[in-house]
Amino acid sequence: QQQVKQSPQSLIVQKGGISIINCAYENTAFDYFPWYQQFPGKGPALLIAIRPDVSEKKEGRFTISFNKSAKQFSLHIMDSQPGDSATYFCAASWATGNQFYFGTGTSLTVIP
Amino acid sequence: KAGVTQTPRYLIKTRGQQVTLSCSPISGHRSVSWYQQTPGQGLQFLFEYFSETQRNKGNFPGRFSGRQFSNSRSEMNVSTLELGDSALYLCASSLMAGQPQHFGDGTRLSIL
Repeated sequence: QQQVKQSPQSLIVQKGGISIINCAYENTAFDYFPWYQQFPGKGPALLIAIRPDVSEKKEGRFTISFNKSAKQFSLHIMDSQPGDSATYFCAASWATGNQFYFGTGTSLTVIP
Repeated sequence: KAGVTQTPRYLIKTRGQQVTLSCSPISGHRSVSWYQQTPGQGLQFLFEYFSETQRNKGNFPGRFSGRQFSNSRSEMNVSTLELGDSALYLCASSLMAGQPQHFGDGTRLSIL
Protein backbone atom coordinates (compact mmCIF):
# COMPACT_ATOMS: atom_id res chain seq x y z
CA GLN A 1 0.00 0.00 0.00
CA GLN A 2 1.39 3.35 -1.05
CA GLN A 3 1.34 5.47 2.09
CA VAL A 4 2.18 8.68 0.21
CA LYS A 5 0.88 9.36 -3.30
CA GLN A 6 2.59 12.03 -5.40
CA SER A 7 1.58 13.75 -8.62
CA PRO A 8 2.36 14.61 -11.32
CA GLN A 9 5.09 12.19 -12.32
CA SER A 10 6.69 14.82 -14.53
CA LEU A 11 6.25 18.55 -14.95
CA ILE A 12 7.51 21.07 -17.50
CA VAL A 13 7.39 24.74 -16.58
CA GLN A 14 8.59 27.90 -18.28
CA LYS A 15 11.23 29.98 -16.53
CA GLY A 16 9.52 32.39 -14.15
CA GLY A 17 6.43 30.22 -13.82
CA ILE A 18 5.01 28.43 -10.78
CA SER A 19 5.69 24.73 -10.28
CA ILE A 20 3.13 22.84 -8.18
CA ILE A 21 3.59 19.28 -6.92
CA ASN A 22 0.93 17.52 -4.89
CA CYS A 23 1.02 14.73 -2.32
CA ALA A 24 -1.64 12.86 -0.38
CA TYR A 25 -1.10 10.63 2.62
CA GLU A 26 -3.04 7.84 4.29
CA ASN A 27 -1.87 7.61 7.89
CA THR A 28 -3.32 10.31 10.13
CA ALA A 29 -0.55 9.62 12.64
CA PHE A 30 1.99 11.24 10.34
CA ASP A 31 3.11 14.56 11.76
CA TYR A 32 6.20 15.53 9.79
CA PHE A 33 6.14 16.25 6.07
CA PRO A 34 9.41 17.12 4.32
CA TRP A 35 10.17 17.77 0.68
CA TYR A 36 13.43 16.66 -0.87
CA GLN A 37 15.21 17.76 -4.05
CA GLN A 38 17.44 15.30 -5.87
CA PHE A 39 19.87 15.99 -8.70
CA PRO A 40 21.34 13.18 -10.84
CA GLY A 41 24.17 11.41 -9.07
CA LYS A 42 23.34 13.00 -5.73
CA GLY A 43 21.37 12.02 -2.68
CA PRO A 44 18.09 13.76 -1.81
CA ALA A 45 18.59 17.14 -0.14
CA LEU A 46 16.09 18.47 2.38
CA LEU A 47 14.31 21.46 0.87
CA ILE A 48 11.58 22.44 3.28
CA ALA A 49 9.39 20.68 5.85
CA ILE A 50 6.12 21.28 7.70
CA ARG A 51 4.31 19.94 10.73
CA PRO A 52 0.49 19.74 10.79
CA ASP A 53 0.01 22.56 13.29
CA VAL A 54 0.48 25.12 10.49
CA SER A 55 -1.23 25.36 7.10
CA GLU A 56 1.59 27.00 5.19
CA LYS A 57 5.33 27.44 5.41
CA LYS A 58 7.45 29.59 3.13
CA GLU A 59 11.20 29.63 2.63
CA GLY A 60 12.38 31.85 -0.17
CA ARG A 61 10.75 30.74 -3.42
CA PHE A 62 9.52 27.47 -1.89
CA THR A 63 6.17 27.15 -0.11
CA ILE A 64 4.44 24.14 1.43
CA SER A 65 0.66 24.24 1.70
CA PHE A 66 -0.87 21.74 4.11
CA ASN A 67 -4.51 20.64 4.32
CA LYS A 68 -4.94 18.36 7.34
CA SER A 69 -8.62 17.55 6.76
CA ALA A 70 -7.96 16.49 3.18
CA LYS A 71 -4.70 14.74 4.13
CA GLN A 72 -2.91 16.59 1.35
CA PHE A 73 0.13 18.81 1.06
CA SER A 74 1.79 20.51 -1.85
CA LEU A 75 5.01 22.21 -2.86
CA HIS A 76 4.91 25.49 -4.76
CA ILE A 77 8.05 26.78 -6.44
CA MET A 78 7.63 30.43 -7.37
CA ASP A 79 9.62 32.09 -10.16
CA SER A 80 10.92 28.68 -11.29
CA GLN A 81 14.48 28.67 -12.64
CA PRO A 82 16.36 26.23 -14.89
CA GLY A 83 18.52 25.39 -11.86
CA ASP A 84 15.39 24.03 -10.16
CA SER A 85 15.26 21.22 -12.73
CA ALA A 86 15.50 18.11 -10.55
CA THR A 87 13.41 15.31 -9.07
CA TYR A 88 11.29 16.27 -6.07
CA PHE A 89 10.07 13.85 -3.43
CA CYS A 90 7.51 14.39 -0.72
CA ALA A 91 7.70 12.27 2.41
CA ALA A 92 5.90 11.66 5.68
CA SER A 93 6.80 10.27 9.08
CA TRP A 94 5.74 10.45 12.70
CA ALA A 95 7.57 12.00 15.64
CA THR A 96 8.18 8.72 17.49
CA GLY A 97 9.72 6.94 14.53
CA ASN A 98 12.34 7.63 11.93
CA GLN A 99 10.82 5.62 9.10
CA PHE A 100 10.03 7.94 6.24
CA TYR A 101 7.52 7.07 3.55
CA PHE A 102 8.34 8.69 0.23
CA GLY A 103 6.24 9.63 -2.74
CA THR A 104 7.24 8.29 -6.13
CA GLY A 105 8.89 11.54 -7.21
CA THR A 106 8.23 14.32 -9.72
CA SER A 107 10.71 15.13 -12.44
CA LEU A 108 10.65 18.90 -12.91
CA THR A 109 12.06 20.54 -16.03
CA VAL A 110 12.21 24.33 -16.18
CA ILE A 111 12.58 25.59 -19.75
CA PRO A 112 14.65 28.79 -20.20
CA LYS B 1 30.19 20.55 9.25
CA ALA B 2 30.77 17.48 7.11
CA GLY B 3 27.72 15.81 5.64
CA VAL B 4 26.78 12.16 5.50
CA THR B 5 29.56 10.14 3.88
CA GLN B 6 28.94 6.87 2.11
CA THR B 7 31.60 4.52 0.80
CA PRO B 8 32.22 3.20 -1.70
CA ARG B 9 30.36 5.30 -4.28
CA TYR B 10 30.19 2.51 -6.82
CA LEU B 11 30.29 -1.27 -6.56
CA ILE B 12 30.00 -4.04 -9.10
CA LYS B 13 29.26 -7.53 -7.85
CA THR B 14 28.04 -10.81 -9.28
CA ARG B 15 25.06 -12.88 -8.24
CA GLY B 16 25.57 -14.89 -5.09
CA GLN B 17 28.25 -12.63 -3.64
CA GLN B 18 27.82 -10.50 -0.56
CA VAL B 19 28.53 -6.81 -0.07
CA THR B 20 29.07 -4.37 2.79
CA LEU B 21 28.30 -0.67 2.49
CA SER B 22 29.46 1.97 4.93
CA CYS B 23 27.91 5.19 6.21
CA SER B 24 29.39 7.91 8.42
CA PRO B 25 26.64 10.20 9.76
CA ILE B 26 26.85 13.90 10.45
CA SER B 27 28.78 14.51 13.65
CA GLY B 28 26.42 14.33 16.63
CA HIS B 29 23.68 12.46 14.76
CA ARG B 30 22.75 9.22 16.49
CA SER B 31 20.07 7.95 14.14
CA VAL B 32 21.05 6.32 10.85
CA SER B 33 18.54 5.05 8.31
CA TRP B 34 19.10 3.12 5.11
CA TYR B 35 17.00 3.31 1.94
CA GLN B 36 17.01 1.52 -1.39
CA GLN B 37 16.26 3.66 -4.44
CA THR B 38 15.28 2.10 -7.77
CA PRO B 39 13.50 3.56 -10.81
CA GLY B 40 10.60 1.15 -10.39
CA GLN B 41 10.05 1.19 -6.62
CA GLY B 42 11.37 4.63 -5.69
CA LEU B 43 12.77 5.18 -2.22
CA GLN B 44 12.08 2.30 0.13
CA PHE B 45 13.00 2.15 3.80
CA LEU B 46 15.33 -0.67 4.81
CA PHE B 47 16.05 -0.10 8.51
CA GLU B 48 16.97 2.46 11.14
CA TYR B 49 19.53 2.32 13.90
CA PHE B 50 19.77 4.48 16.99
CA SER B 51 22.46 4.05 19.63
CA GLU B 52 23.54 0.72 18.12
CA THR B 53 19.99 -0.71 18.24
CA GLN B 54 17.77 -1.44 15.26
CA ARG B 55 14.52 0.40 15.96
CA ASN B 56 12.63 0.02 12.70
CA LYS B 57 12.80 -2.39 9.80
CA GLY B 58 11.22 -2.19 6.38
CA ASN B 59 9.79 -4.99 4.30
CA PHE B 60 12.99 -6.52 2.95
CA PRO B 61 14.25 -10.11 3.15
CA GLY B 62 16.69 -11.23 5.83
CA ARG B 63 19.53 -11.05 3.30
CA PHE B 64 19.59 -7.35 4.10
CA SER B 65 21.10 -6.57 7.47
CA GLY B 66 22.89 -3.77 9.19
CA ARG B 67 24.59 -2.64 12.32
CA GLN B 68 25.67 0.53 14.03
CA PHE B 69 28.84 1.13 15.98
CA SER B 70 29.38 3.14 19.15
CA ASN B 71 30.59 6.13 17.10
CA SER B 72 27.24 6.05 15.19
CA ARG B 73 28.86 4.85 11.97
CA SER B 74 26.74 2.22 10.28
CA GLU B 75 27.24 -0.63 7.87
CA MET B 76 24.74 -2.41 5.71
CA ASN B 77 25.28 -5.94 4.43
CA VAL B 78 23.54 -7.77 1.62
CA SER B 79 24.21 -11.49 1.25
CA THR B 80 23.54 -13.81 -1.68
CA LEU B 81 23.14 -10.93 -4.09
CA GLU B 82 20.41 -11.07 -6.71
CA LEU B 83 20.07 -9.11 -9.95
CA GLY B 84 17.14 -7.22 -8.41
CA ASP B 85 19.41 -5.83 -5.70
CA SER B 86 20.93 -3.44 -8.24
CA ALA B 87 20.05 -0.02 -6.85
CA LEU B 88 21.26 3.16 -5.26
CA TYR B 89 21.60 2.59 -1.51
CA LEU B 90 21.17 5.75 0.51
CA CYS B 91 22.04 6.45 4.09
CA ALA B 92 20.44 9.27 6.07
CA SER B 93 21.22 10.59 9.51
CA SER B 94 19.32 12.69 12.02
CA LEU B 95 19.72 13.83 15.61
CA MET B 96 16.78 11.76 16.76
CA ALA B 97 13.37 10.51 15.65
CA GLY B 98 11.12 13.10 14.09
CA GLN B 99 14.02 15.35 13.18
CA PRO B 100 15.09 16.20 9.62
CA GLN B 101 16.99 13.44 7.86
CA HIS B 102 20.07 14.32 5.84
CA PHE B 103 21.13 12.01 3.05
CA GLY B 104 24.48 10.98 1.67
CA ASP B 105 25.06 10.66 -2.06
CA GLY B 106 24.63 6.90 -1.93
CA THR B 107 26.39 3.78 -3.09
CA ARG B 108 25.49 2.63 -6.60
CA LEU B 109 25.42 -1.19 -6.52
CA SER B 110 25.33 -3.07 -9.79
CA ILE B 111 24.85 -6.82 -9.91
CA LEU B 112 26.04 -8.71 -12.99
